[in-house]
Amino acid sequence: KAGVTQTPRYLIKTRGQQVTLSCSPISGHRSVSWYQQTPGQGLQFLFEYFSETQRNKGNFPGRFSGRQFSNSRSEMNVSTLELGDSALYLCASSLQTGRTGELFFGEGSRLTVL
Amino acid sequence: AQTVTQSQPEMSVQEAETVTLSCTYDTSESDYYLFWYKQPPSRQMILVIRQEAYKQQNATENRFSVNFQKAAKSFSLKISDSQLGDAAMYFCAYRVRRDDKIIFGKGTRLHILP
Repeated sequence: KAGVTQTPRYLIKTRGQQVTLSCSPISGHRSVSWYQQTPGQGLQFLFEYFSETQRNKGNFPGRFSGRQFSNSRSEMNVSTLELGDSALYLCASSLQTGRTGELFFGEGSRLTVL
Repeated sequence: AQTVTQSQPEMSVQEAETVTLSCTYDTSESDYYLFWYKQPPSRQMILVIRQEAYKQQNATENRFSVNFQKAAKSFSLKISDSQLGDAAMYFCAYRVRRDDKIIFGKGTRLHILP
């Protein structure tokens, strides 16, 4: 069974630009969550989608948005990039809420903002 | 507020020895999961061990075991017979059963000394 796939793995942007990251969950998983990982703040929850609906949102500005498609694939978008947005963005998928409790993570997308 | 605290940013252990990583958490919920995730230098986060709050018995997975003290809100990870492949960042994490959002601690970087 294929794992969680994130694309692109690495990308470099400049301030003011926008970026879209993609995540394909494990087949059969309907929940997708996004996390931002930085050395200073650690792992911070961005948002979670289930059946194309955002069920949960972390404490991030409106420049961070996401969506989920009918095939459970998810994208997140960051507009008007700032230097502080440089981070590893991790996507995780899981079965329905309350089942095993485990999240399966992708390898992440490393974003560098110059 | 739900928080997870790992008080040891970095630890070292001799190969074949035993090491314990500490974690405390704060919550008013009664039904939740606790996890230890491992993030090796290649970055993909993988689940090490999971504990369901309503289960009194401590979880064990081969060389990995936990000491779950619900009243004290403590959840430590013990690694026995440490191996070079155990070198990684270890994250303690908490999740309410009804929610897919996971709250992570800041992590403990574990070094294995040959």
